[in-house]
Amino acid sequence: GAGVSQSPRYKVAKRGQDVALRCDPISGHVSLFWYQQALGQGPEFLTYFQNEAQLDKSGLPSDRFFAERPEGSVSTLKIQRTQQEDSAVYLCASSLGDSEAFFGQGTRLTVV
Amino acid sequence: AQSVTQPDIHITVSEGASLELRCNYSYGATPYLFWYVQSPGQGLQLLLKYFSGDTLVQGIKGFEAEFKRSQSSFNLRKPSVHWSDAAEYFCAVGIHTGGFKTIFGAGTRLFVKA
Repeated sequence: GAGVSQSPRYKVAKRGQDVALRCDPISGHVSLFWYQQALGQGPEFLTYFQNEAQLDKSGLPSDRFFAERPEGSVSTLKIQRTQQEDSAVYLCASSLGDSEAFFGQGTRLTVV
Repeated sequence: AQSVTQPDIHITVSEGASLELRCNYSYGATPYLFWYVQSPGQGLQLLLKYFSGDTLVQGIKGFEAEFKRSQSSFNLRKPSVHWSDAAEYFCAVGIHTGGFKTIFGAGTRLFVKA
């Protein structure tokens, strides 16, 4: 596609509910990143894929967070048993490799 | 550990005035450096990048940045600010760690007054 596409744009979840956030990267981009951006903060790195391999998941805040990219294209970030502190904008980005990342518009998650 | 510091949480400039946003990084190797801009409700847009070569890099929308290795800095500048430049600006460093990932600063919010 023309750019990185994320869905849904907005998600409201009740505390304890599981959510799944989708990212469609730019076609041909081997690298895919997930970031969490709290209100008034910069994006915080969560995890990184090169094709289908998850090379770095050091930023995932707890074992409730899980990401996958099974065919090296679309990626899903899953959050289990959501908590209020999970409320944030989740940004997905893709790149060709050692180059700049192109970002989607993000998914705003609100946990109530 | 790798980090990016943007000392100014917010800056206010008059339209037509010059702008400089500060950025310092901490990284042991030669960094890849970026400036991104984020308007409300939008994703991040790349303004410019430095990988190697000329330390003064030009970007979109009339922005430029200068890499100073001795000061570990990568400050963003614009000679004349327009009202549409009001946004959040993020400095970032790209690092190699079993792959390549980008670490962001906390951002500087720019306000433009008429």
